[in-house]
Amino acid sequence: EAGVTQFPSHSVIEKGQTVTLRCDPISGHDNLYWYRRVMGKEIKFLLHFVKESKQDESGMPNNRFLAERTGGTYSTLKVQPAELEDSGVYFCASSQDGVNNEQFFGPGTRLTVL
Amino acid sequence: GNSVTQMEGPVTLSEEAFLTINCTYTATGYPSLFWYVQYPGEGLQLLLKATKADDKGSNKGFEATYRKETTSFHLEKGSVQVSDSAVYFCALSTTSGSARQLTFGSGTQLTVLP
Repeated sequence: EAGVTQFPSHSVIEKGQTVTLRCDPISGHDNLYWYRRVMGKEIKFLLHFVKESKQDESGMPNNRFLAERTGGTYSTLKVQPAELEDSGVYFCASSQDGVNNEQFFGPGTRLTVL
Repeated sequence: GNSVTQMEGPVTLSEEAFLTINCTYTATGYPSLFWYVQYPGEGLQLLLKATKADDKGSNKGFEATYRKETTSFHLEKGSVQVSDSAVYFCALSTTSGSARQLTFGSGTQLTVLP
């Protein structure tokens, strides 16, 4: 069974540009989460989807970030326009059940904003 | 709010040395506690967990005991191997609505030398 995959593995962009990160969860997992780790600090929760609906987006830093999960399968996280402080590693995770099941993480996308 | 404080790294040990990585937490209610590990180039993997006070989680020779009185969940291993070199994250979760959000510590880089 394939795990959570993320694309790209690494992205380097200039301040003001747009970047879109993609996450493919494990097949059949209704719950999808985005997290990020900035400057080697703690990993912080961004948002949670249940199927195509946003269950909790309390961790989204500002309106430059837009997450979608059309059709309840893969998800995208768009940053527009990117700022220097957006640099970090963006992790995606999925779980079958939102409360009791383990969250399975992808390898992350390292975003560098110059 | 919830928070996790873990021992800062990096930690460098010789093979077969004893490992302790300290982790303390602040949370309302009764959180579940986790240790995740990230090997180079891979995603976060759940290493072990404990869901209530005095529970001991264990896996691959690693152990951690949920200590409610000291709000701690220290990770230990009696004899580390080179293959244990990775970043270790302590985390907690509380149920928010129907979701289990994870709150992470800042991570501890462990390097084991042969």
